[in-house]
Amino acid sequence: GAVVSQHPSWVICKSGTSVKIECRSLDFQATTMFWYRQFPKQSLMLMATSNEGSKATYEQGVEKDKFLINHASLTLSTLTVTSAHPEDSSFYICSARGGGSVTEAFFGQGTRLTVV
Amino acid sequence: EDQVTQSPEALRLQEGESSSLNCSYTVSGLRGLFWYRQDPGKGPEFLFTLYSAGEEKEKERLKATLTKKESFLHITAPKPEDSATYLCAVQAWGAGSYQLTFGKGTKLSVIP
Repeated sequence: GAVVSQHPSWVICKSGTSVKIECRSLDFQATTMFWYRQFPKQSLMLMATSNEGSKATYEQGVEKDKFLINHASLTLSTLTVTSAHPEDSSFYICSARGGGSVTEAFFGQGTRLTVV
Repeated sequence: EDQVTQSPEALRLQEGESSSLNCSYTVSGLRGLFWYRQDPGKGPEFLFTLYSAGEEKEKERLKATLTKKESFLHITAPKPEDSATYLCAVQAWGAGSYQLTFGKGTKLSVIP
């Protein structure tokens, strides 16, 4: 099956610093990548959608200047949390979808971010 | 607005005790309905895609079915390793980037 690798699995950072999370599709070309945030006992909340070579589309209420998304190649997307604060602590998950009429999206392992 | 409601929120089964999880949905036009399994601290793992009412798919002890209003995930003779949160999601026609709308999930616990 399709494999999506997300790195790091967990990260602890100090308040005010920036953190970068990588999402790679290992065995297929990801035309579209999605970034989600998940709170405890809650479902996945879509933050943004990015298509390769284009600017990301952010969901309402998501600060695009705080959550920088880059999808520079068909196998790599990055999410940078800038000037992180404790309220940004959460579980971040990426997913990737191939091109054409492919409907399925495959998920990375997730990244647990803790801001202290 | 697309909506997905899963029930029950949590389900405890004895090993070997079969049951079903429900996913009710409202969507402008269904392109696909997806089932995922999520283990604690992990990303969701893809299980099934269903496209039209009457469709069924099976994988080991799991069987997913679809009607025009809901989907069921049937678990036959579950084992402790089936314990996880099962997520249902819908994808609508017109969702330009194939976005998914998720339900809150059903947390399944299978007791030995």
